[in-house]
Amino acid sequence: GQNIDQPTEMTATEGAIVQINCTYQTSGFNGLFWYQQHAGEAPTFLSYNVLDGLEEKGRFSSFLSRSKGYSYLLLKELQMKDSASYLCAARLLPSGGSYIPTFGRGTSLIVHP
Amino acid sequence: GAVVSQHPSWVICKSGTSVKIECRSLDFQATTMFWYRQFPKQSLMLMATSNEGSKATYEQGVEKDKFLINHASLTLSTLTVTSAHPEDSSFYICSASWAGYTFGSGTRLTVV
Repeated sequence: GQNIDQPTEMTATEGAIVQINCTYQTSGFNGLFWYQQHAGEAPTFLSYNVLDGLEEKGRFSSFLSRSKGYSYLLLKELQMKDSASYLCAARLLPSGGSYIPTFGRGTSLIVHP
Repeated sequence: GAVVSQHPSWVICKSGTSVKIECRSLDFQATTMFWYRQFPKQSLMLMATSNEGSKATYEQGVEKDKFLINHASLTLSTLTVTSAHPEDSSFYICSASWAGYTFGSGTRLTVV
């Protein structure tokens, strides 16, 4: 079956760095997404990793190790507005012609002053 | 960039009635759209995969006769919640595959 694990909740201080981990056990893995979701809103795209390594995009970076089934999202210079839920999602190889995205439960990040 | 428009943003309906939610891709053609449901503090749960011109593929445990999906064109997919009950109250979100998965803004359904 498909299984994606990430911590339920994390807290951090404004200005600090936080790393949100995601481990997955899936068949037909084809890449991993990270999304940010504020309460009551739809998720917004942050990053996509298909090859091993680190992808940096401003204050946010994402890392993938396919051999270890592991990814992390790194947030630097935390701001209060970064308080949100962070979802990792595995992109699975086509099933019946459609790539199927599978989401983890999300990590609720609370940034405090 | 790719935009997915979802309507309505919120709806309140009486138990036993049906509600239709629309999802449109505004600047691209979406042969495949995904419908999700999200309960408070829970993750997105895939309900079904909607393919233009063919029947939707439902996830295990999702009643196809209750959640009717129609994808009649390359830019429009609809989800109809039939004979809604209070337990169907949830946040419904569609998404389409375009350089990642672009999401609609979601529909908050409350059944009273």
